[in-house]
Amino acid sequence: EDQVTQSPEALRLQEGESSSLNCSYTVSGLRGLFWYRQDPGKGPEFLFTLYSAGEEKEKERLKATLTKKESFLHITAPKPEDSATYLCAVPPGSSNTGKLIFGQGTTLQVKP
Amino acid sequence: NAGVTQTPKFRILKIGQSMTLQCTQDMNHNYMYWYRQDPGMGLKLIYYSVGAGITDKGEVPNGYNVSRSTTEDFPLRLELAAPSQTSVYFCASSFQGPGGANVLTFGAGSRLTVL
Repeated sequence: EDQVTQSPEALRLQEGESSSLNCSYTVSGLRGLFWYRQDPGKGPEFLFTLYSAGEEKEKERLKATLTKKESFLHITAPKPEDSATYLCAVPPGSSNTGKLIFGQGTTLQVKP
Repeated sequence: NAGVTQTPKFRILKIGQSMTLQCTQDMNHNYMYWYRQDPGMGLKLIYYSVGAGITDKGEVPNGYNVSRSTTEDFPLRLELAAPSQTSVYFCASSFQGPGGANVLTFGAGSRLTVL
């Protein structure tokens, strides 16, 4: 069964304290792993897509990496404005209809 | 471009009432989706559409119906509302090109409470 699991559920950091969020996935024939950011009361916003093991993408203080079983979202020297819920998602292996299977999300709080 | 627009943003329903959540996109995307989000549960797919006139069930379709008469609009109908349908509903759209995974653009969400 296709599955996405994120950890931890919640993470509290001090401003400047770097850390990583984990996304483990089980899917046959990975056709992309997506990271989204969701602010309270808003819809998810796209951050990155990774397609193959070893691939890395960066955006400001965020860097996403991918292995054959998991993806990490590294946050370097975070600021309070990085506080949000981060979601990862994969397309199911059996479908090519654009659907995504989402993890439960990691809620990040960065304190000044 | 407005992107994906959902209405209403908030709604309270009584058990047994019916309502329609509206979703419109102006990006000429062929694919559209309805997800629901419950605390700690992530996003679950309710229904999706790959084009006008074509819809299919997602992971949690019971109690809902959809239609797709135009490329732009994808309304979600709740019949006989139940407390279990209390949730935040997100509409999304994407353009599916040949061969690749695609990026979903989400609306701002509709928060529904059934009492």
